[in-house]
Amino acid sequence: DAGITQSPRYKITETGRQVTLMCHQTWSHSYMFWYRQDLGHGLRLIYYSAAADITDKGEVSDGYVVSRSKTENFPLTLESATRSQTSVYFCASSGGGGINTGELFFGEGSRLTVL
Amino acid sequence: RKEVEQDPGPFNVPEGATVAFNCTYSNSASQSFFWYRQDCRKEPKLLMSVYSSGNEDGRFTAQLNRASQYISLLIRDSKLSDSATYLCVVKRQGGKLIFGQGTELSVKP
Repeated sequence: DAGITQSPRYKITETGRQVTLMCHQTWSHSYMFWYRQDLGHGLRLIYYSAAADITDKGEVSDGYVVSRSKTENFPLTLESATRSQTSVYFCASSGGGGINTGELFFGEGSRLTVL
Repeated sequence: RKEVEQDPGPFNVPEGATVAFNCTYSNSASQSFFWYRQDCRKEPKLLMSVYSSGNEDGRFTAQLNRASQYISLLIRDSKLSDSATYLCVVKRQGGKLIFGQGTELSVKP
């Protein structure tokens, strides 16, 4: 089924390891986002991308790297995972559109545990 | 101070009650505003946009006060199925969407 998919859905890793979370969308949306969700903080923006090869930092980008070589893919890499990066990660996409267009389409989330 | 602030709740209400959620935002250059709904740590989904003139969608009414930088959501005749977390969302210039931490609603029989 077309849409936005994340993988893996669940991941356990150890401190110091590199982890990549994948995100793929089939709508050719120009905008893509990565958020993390933690109790007491809600959804916090990590990185976003307005188009292929254009990325920008969000509120909590330290320790994360993204790339957008193709419109449909927006992988998120934790270069050296820390326990504080244990979280649920949501990828989302949007067509952008006019100023009132705010519909983000989210993936089902990737639950990451760093031991 | 967070850019988008909400009362986290939880709000516990009986079926049929009217409940209101408030949200404030700090960036006066924010362009547009939305309410999202999130069930049980699933992915958030758009509930409705918020317009300056106020707008309704069935039992849901959203209001925006740009001067006070304040957004509200009113739910009338609450149903059990309305139990969820409601997220206030602000769109900045450039397309970045900032989420509040969410307000939890629990509707009881």
